[in-house]
Amino acid sequence: QSVLTQPPSASETPGQRVTISCSGSSSNLGYNYVYWYQQVPGTAPRLLMYKNDQRPSGVPDRFSGSKSGTSASLAISGLRSEDEANYYCAAWDDSLGGWVFGGGTKLTVL
Amino acid sequence: QITLKESGPALVKPTQTLTLTCTLSGVSLSTSGVGVGWLRQPPGKALEWLGTIYWNDDKRYSPSLKNRLTITKDTSKNQVVLTMINLDLVDTATYYCAHSKFWFGEPQFDPWGRGTLVIVSS
Repeated sequence: QSVLTQPPSASETPGQRVTISCSGSSSNLGYNYVYWYQQVPGTAPRLLMYKNDQRPSGVPDRFSGSKSGTSASLAISGLRSEDEANYYCAAWDDSLGGWVFGGGTKLTVL
Repeated sequence: QITLKESGPALVKPTQTLTLTCTLSGVSLSTSGVGVGWLRQPPGKALEWLGTIYWNDDKRYSPSLKNRLTITKDTSKNQVVLTMINLDLVDTATYYCAHSKFWFGEPQFDPWGRGTLVIVSS
C-alpha cells in the first residue's frame, strides 16, 4: 500500500488531454513539493516535473503539473504514442522522514 | 552531463548481504548540495526509496529499512555504496541509484542510473 494514492490506470486517444491524480496527506503533499516521474517499460524512471509545476529541460510543455492542498495532478496534452508509460508521483514525508511514492499510473494511448 | 551506473551481484542467497556500487560521472560527490539516492522496484511493482547520502556525509534512510541499510561514499572514486543485510526473497528488485539535491525545490532523483536487477534466491 503506497503512501501516495494514484489511479492504477488511465487511457486516452492521441491528441487528447489526460490528467493523472496523486493524493496524499498533510505530512507529504500538504506541506511539501510533488515530483513526477515517467517510466517507459524496461527503462529507468525519468524526472518529469519538480517543485509541483517545474519542467526540467527537455521535457515538452505538453506536460504540466499542479498541486492544491493534499492533492496533485499531472496533465498531458496533445497525447502521443510515446507518452505511453507508467507515471509516479513522489514527495518528502515529514512524519516518516523519507521520500514516498505513489503506486504508479499506467497510461495507455489508445 | 551527469550519469550514474550501478554495479553488483545479480544473484544473492537469502540471509546474505548485498553490496551495490553506484559510480557517478559529470559531478563530484564533494560538490555542495550533491546527493545520491538509492531506490528499488520489485518486478511489476512501484518505486521505493531506500536512502540518500549527501556531499557532507549526511544520510537519510527509509524508516522501514533503516536497520538493514548502510550507505557510504568514496569521494576519491566518486562512488556510493549501498549495503543491505539479511536479504530476503521480497528484496528481489531492480536497484537504482539517482542524482539528488540537498535542497527541496531542486530537481530530485535526476538522472537515474540504468538499474541493476538483483534476484534473491537459494
